Amino acid sequence: GDSVTQMEGPVTLSEEAFLTINCTYTATGYPSLFWYVQYPGEGLQLLLKATKADDKGSNKGFEATYRKETTSFHLEKGSVQVSDSAVYFCALLTGGGNKLTFGTGTQLKVEL
Amino acid sequence: DAGVIQSPRHEVTEMGQEVTLRCKPISGHNSLFWYRQTMMRGLELLIYFNNNVPIDDSGMPEDRFSAKMPNASFSTLKIQPSEPRDSAVYFCASSPQGWENTEAFFGQGTRLTVV
Repeated sequence: GDSVTQMEGPVTLSEEAFLTINCTYTATGYPSLFWYVQYPGEGLQLLLKATKADDKGSNKGFEATYRKETTSFHLEKGSVQVSDSAVYFCALLTGGGNKLTFGTGTQLKVEL
Repeated sequence: DAGVIQSPRHEVTEMGQEVTLRCKPISGHNSLFWYRQTMMRGLELLIYFNNNVPIDDSGMPEDRFSAKMPNASFSTLKIQPSEPRDSAVYFCASSPQGWENTEAFFGQGTRLTVV
């Protein structure tokens, strides 16, 4: 079945450091890929998405590229801020499906 | 639009009691989802409605859980009887059409504690 694997957290960085959160997936067909972010005490919000191979999703300085050859969708940001502290979820959706499969989430802590 | 509205935000109940969680999706959205989030199991899809009809309830853990969507603007998730292992954050999400390539909008969740 479909699955998403994320790197274990928590990830602790200093402000302005470079961020990478790894995400790999297993899916039948050609899924759409998503990154959601969950701030403390809130629900999940879509951060970015990519719907086909080689697409790059970007938002708020975050980027992720859909790599079909490595079945990956790693999240990157060049310079993190304290306000980026949150839990980040990688997710996939297969075409025609009705079930968004989430990874376990990676907690990011950014310190001054 | 106020977004997806869930109530209550927090619920503490005793084991064996009935618990009802409520959700108001975004107006015009025709898909609604209930998720459960725990540290051990992460985010789990419990049930999915499309146009008020339950489409996939394979994630509902057992018969103690039931969900209804009597109209396009309201859904409930009921647990009867509740057990301590049901303690989790329950999220409702809605989407303007099927999941495919579209964004799901999440409510702020209901934190349920069963003691």
